Amino acid sequence: AQTVTQSQPEMSVQEAETVTLSCTYDTSESDYYLFWYKQPPSRQMILVIRQEAYKQQNATENRFSVNFQKAAKSFSLKISDSQLGDAAMYFCAYRSSLIIQGAQKLVFGQGTRLTINP
Amino acid sequence: EPEVTQTPSHQVTQMGQEVILRCVPISNHLYFYWYRQILGQKVEFLVSFYNNEISEKSEIFDDQFSVERPDGSNFTLKIRSTKLEDSAMYFCASSEGSWREQYFGPGTRLTVT
Repeated sequence: AQTVTQSQPEMSVQEAETVTLSCTYDTSESDYYLFWYKQPPSRQMILVIRQEAYKQQNATENRFSVNFQKAAKSFSLKISDSQLGDAAMYFCAYRSSLIIQGAQKLVFGQGTRLTINP
Repeated sequence: EPEVTQTPSHQVTQMGQEVILRCVPISNHLYFYWYRQILGQKVEFLVSFYNNEISEKSEIFDDQFSVERPDGSNFTLKIRSTKLEDSAMYFCASSEGSWREQYFGPGTRLTVT
């Protein structure tokens, strides 16, 4: 079974600075998807960024980018120019790419609570 | 932009009572999911649903749980006899295809007393 580990329960960063959240995962599959979800105090889960394992290029979405190291099974999220609205719980998630019944579930890490200091 | 909606936002029930949590997935999505998050813990998969049947369920999804798509728009999670440990945030999600992103609803906070 796949597992996802986020070793940083809490992180804080000064507004406008850059912060990196860590995520490692364990899988025997060669193709899969990785995601970062944001959960603000409202508790809704919002998709931040997605990475396909077969792509070598790291995904970017505006101020959010990832550092995907497939061999190391590492998938970190970098937030540049941090804003107060970035304060949230961030979850890393894994999903298999197998097109078989039941392969679509997301496996989440424990989450990292990010605080932005003004 | 289309979004997943869930009702109610907060449900309080007594132990042993039945609850039904409702979700309206995005209209052209075909895959539906329920996840659960106990306060302070990680989000856990409960069940996935496609083509009017369960695709996969976790160990949490025992006989007390059931899902249904009663019409073309709603997707429900029923807990037949609630326990204290069922207190959690329940998230519904949907995706257009098995390979596509899952979009989450705002969640229903279930409190069992």
